[in-house]
Amino acid sequence: KNQVEQSPQSLIILEGKNCTLQCNYTVSPFSNLRWYKQDTGRGPVSLTIMTFSENTKSNGRYTATLDADTKQSSLHITASQLSDSASYICVVSARSNRDDKIIFGKGTRLHILP
Amino acid sequence: NAGVTQTPKFRVLKTGQSMTLLCAQDMNHEYMYWYRQDPGMGLRLIHYSVGEGTTAKGEVPDGYNVSRLKKQNFLLGLESAAPSQTSVYFCASSSRTSGRTSYEQYFGPGTRLTVT
Repeated sequence: KNQVEQSPQSLIILEGKNCTLQCNYTVSPFSNLRWYKQDTGRGPVSLTIMTFSENTKSNGRYTATLDADTKQSSLHITASQLSDSASYICVVSARSNRDDKIIFGKGTRLHILP
Repeated sequence: NAGVTQTPKFRVLKTGQSMTLLCAQDMNHEYMYWYRQDPGMGLRLIHYSVGEGTTAKGEVPDGYNVSRLKKQNFLLGLESAAPSQTSVYFCASSSRTSGRTSYEQYFGPGTRLTVT
């Protein structure tokens, strides 16, 4: 069964600190993995997209890594800011003959304290 | 570009009432999706469309109908609302998803629906 598991469920850190969010998946055949940021009351917005051949992708202070062998991804946030408070959703696509099937994780809720 | 827009933003319905949620996108995307998001559940796919005039069921289609008469619009209908349909509904669009190519989904701002 295709599944995406994220940890931790929630995380609280102080402003300026770094943090890492985890995503484990059992999706096959793998097509791509995306990290989204969802602010409270808003729709998700894409941060990074990685295919099988990509190990790391950066978007400003956000760096995503992918290990296709262990089926794990992480999202590292450097020098956190109050505006980083949001839910972060890992999304994995399973390749199919016609259209990829998209599987969402339940997200990690990150709180940045001043 | 407005991206993906949804109307209305909020709605309260009584059990048994009907309503239609409208999603519009101006990016000429082929694919459009309707999701619901409930606490602790993550996003779940209700219906999706791969092009004008075509729709398909997602993970949780019961109690909902959809139509895609125009490429830029995707409508989600509730014929007889139930309290279990209280949720936040998100529309998304993307260009064609296939193979090793990565196409991201663009989400609307959401519609918060309460059924009493």
